[in-house]
Amino acid sequence: DSGVTQTPKHLITATGQRVTLRCSPRSGDLSVYWYQQSLDQGLQFLIQYYNGEERAKGNILERFSAQQFPDLHSELNLSSLELGDSALYFCASSVATGQSGNTIYFGEGSWLTVV
Amino acid sequence: QKEVEQDPGPLSVPEGAIVSLNCTYSNSAFQYFMWYRQYSRKGPELLMYTYSSGNKEDGRFTAQVDKSSKYISLFIRDSQPSDSATYLCAFQTMDSSYKLIFGSGTRLLVRP
Repeated sequence: DSGVTQTPKHLITATGQRVTLRCSPRSGDLSVYWYQQSLDQGLQFLIQYYNGEERAKGNILERFSAQQFPDLHSELNLSSLELGDSALYFCASSVATGQSGNTIYFGEGSWLTVV
Repeated sequence: QKEVEQDPGPLSVPEGAIVSLNCTYSNSAFQYFMWYRQYSRKGPELLMYTYSSGNKEDGRFTAQVDKSSKYISLFIRDSQPSDSATYLCAFQTMDSSYKLIFGSGTRLLVRP
């Protein structure tokens, strides 16, 4: 158990809908990362938050957004869903300082299927 | 040229074999190198973590980094069926995010 908690584990929804994925980082970790893993793309970095503020953006679509709350949990919002958004979405967290060399721990993922 | 190259496999070996997994990378700024193991539909689990060049050993696992060749390896000795998984190399960026850039993963199957 990495200590990173993600909900829901599985989600099936229709095209055009909106879903919210939730992540609780490890105790004491200030940095949260979101990654998308689809069959043909591998693990792709989406976005990072550090202590409530956006730190870096990767290949995140405009239909997707995220935020990190004062209690440090994070949510990834996916809207106007398309079939191609079906993937595993992982949250990861790292130790408080966010410095280089810190270990990044992953949750078990949220498996989204868009039908 | 992709930033990270990793052979997707699958790699099939008999139980007890020595397994060699490799990645090449193009960004000479990378200083921290990781190997993650991922079982099907599960979260990646950190296996090995290496700073700069050299070797690091942990039980049956050895990680090697050759920065001059931009090449990293993971060796698994006495492989077991429970080692069957996808192995992902990962590189930590040196910008303010310190995010990980992943290889595409190598599927390993260890046959009993």
